[in-house]
Amino acid sequence: LAKTTQPISMDSYEGQEVNITCSHNNIATNDYITWYQQFPSQGPRFIIQGYKTKVTNEVASLFIPADRKSSTLSLPRVSLSDTAVYYCLVGDPHSGAGSYQLTFGKGTKLSVIP
Amino acid sequence: GAVVSQHPSWVICKSGTSVKIECRSLDFQATTMFWYRQFPKQSLMLMATSNEGSKATYEQGVEKDKFLINHASLTLSTLTVTSAHPEDSSFYICSALDSLNNSPLHFGNGTRLTVT
Repeated sequence: LAKTTQPISMDSYEGQEVNITCSHNNIATNDYITWYQQFPSQGPRFIIQGYKTKVTNEVASLFIPADRKSSTLSLPRVSLSDTAVYYCLVGDPHSGAGSYQLTFGKGTKLSVIP
Repeated sequence: GAVVSQHPSWVICKSGTSVKIECRSLDFQATTMFWYRQFPKQSLMLMATSNEGSKATYEQGVEKDKFLINHASLTLSTLTVTSAHPEDSSFYICSALDSLNNSPLHFGNGTRLTVT
């Protein structure tokens, strides 16, 4: 199982772009990188998923270098409502029933300041 | 998009009683579901992997006789906390994997269990 390492916490002012980097040095060939957002007393919410290079959707961008040993979640122009814990997970969801496990690291607590 | 429904969202029970938590995939089939537990200010810890039609696989340190998992259909998995004790009070979260589509794992909204 690929272990992930993220900063424990980050602070940002409203309207700024926030980049959260995750290290996953032992990522496997078939592993995808997925980011989730979690608010207190709620389940994690899917943000974005990628395999390599860059992925962009309506809420975020995900940058993955060629060696795939790290990834960066980019949140453009954050607002107060983006204050949450962000988790980076690595795994191959379709590697076969029972063999796919998403291990949560400690996550990054993002605090957006007005 | 894929929706995972978890019920109840919160429950309070007395010590020694059992509590059942349901996890449903509303618009997709899930042969595999996962159960997590999260204590305050901590990350999610995987408890077990639930496979439709077969026995669940439990993580090391999780008592299978205490946390009973049943995955009888492609859209429903249940977690029963038997003979609950105050130390079982936690936030329980399920997730489901879409069997047919290459989509990310989706999570339920969690169940807050308080054992008094």
